[in-house]
Amino acid sequence: DGGITQSPKYLFRKEGQNVTLSCEQNLNHDAMYWYRQDPGQGLRLIYYSQIVNDFQKGDIAEGYSVSREKKESFPLTVTSAQKNPTAFYLCASSIIGTGGSGAFFGQGTRLTVV
Amino acid sequence: EDQVTQSPEALRLQEGESSSLNCSYTVSGLRGLFWYRQDPGKGPEFLFTLYSAGEEKEKERLKATLTKKESFLHITAPKPEDSATYLCAVTNRASGGSYIPTFGRGTSLIVHP
Repeated sequence: DGGITQSPKYLFRKEGQNVTLSCEQNLNHDAMYWYRQDPGQGLRLIYYSQIVNDFQKGDIAEGYSVSREKKESFPLTVTSAQKNPTAFYLCASSIIGTGGSGAFFGQGTRLTVV
Repeated sequence: EDQVTQSPEALRLQEGESSSLNCSYTVSGLRGLFWYRQDPGKGPEFLFTLYSAGEEKEKERLKATLTKKESFLHITAPKPEDSATYLCAVTNRASGGSYIPTFGRGTSLIVHP
């Protein structure tokens, strides 16, 4: 079945540590996105990519980094520069070109600082 | 700047009690409006896309409608399994081919048996 797979489901980070969240899709979608979700805040865009080897900052990119070496993969690294990383992270993908296709989401990774 | 406002923030219904969720938007040239359902601890599940005023889409007990300023998600005779957070998002006719969805904060729906 086609879909988006995020791993791990739960992740614990120590202070000063970098961690990487995985996102893989087999939907053949060109566009991929990373969102952060906090209680009462809705989804906020961290980074997005519309083509391999290219990506753009979203509204809250500080303290995060991404890569897009393959069409299927869009990993997110939460660096030690992100001062408040505890949140629910969602990866999504969509078709581009029409602008009107819905995004399909993974099941999320819950990151907690310990 | 695109803005999406959803109301109410939370809604409690009795099973069978129909109601509507609202999504008001401000966007410079709407390309698409999307509704999602999100269960606790899971990713949003795509429900509907609406493209132009007057358009309607239905799925089981859910019906989405669109005007030039807002969208409604009507829930007819809801069941407890309809309990979830419902998210609304819009994309605009941005230059350069970028269509980044802007999300509202969602409406948390609880349906009591």
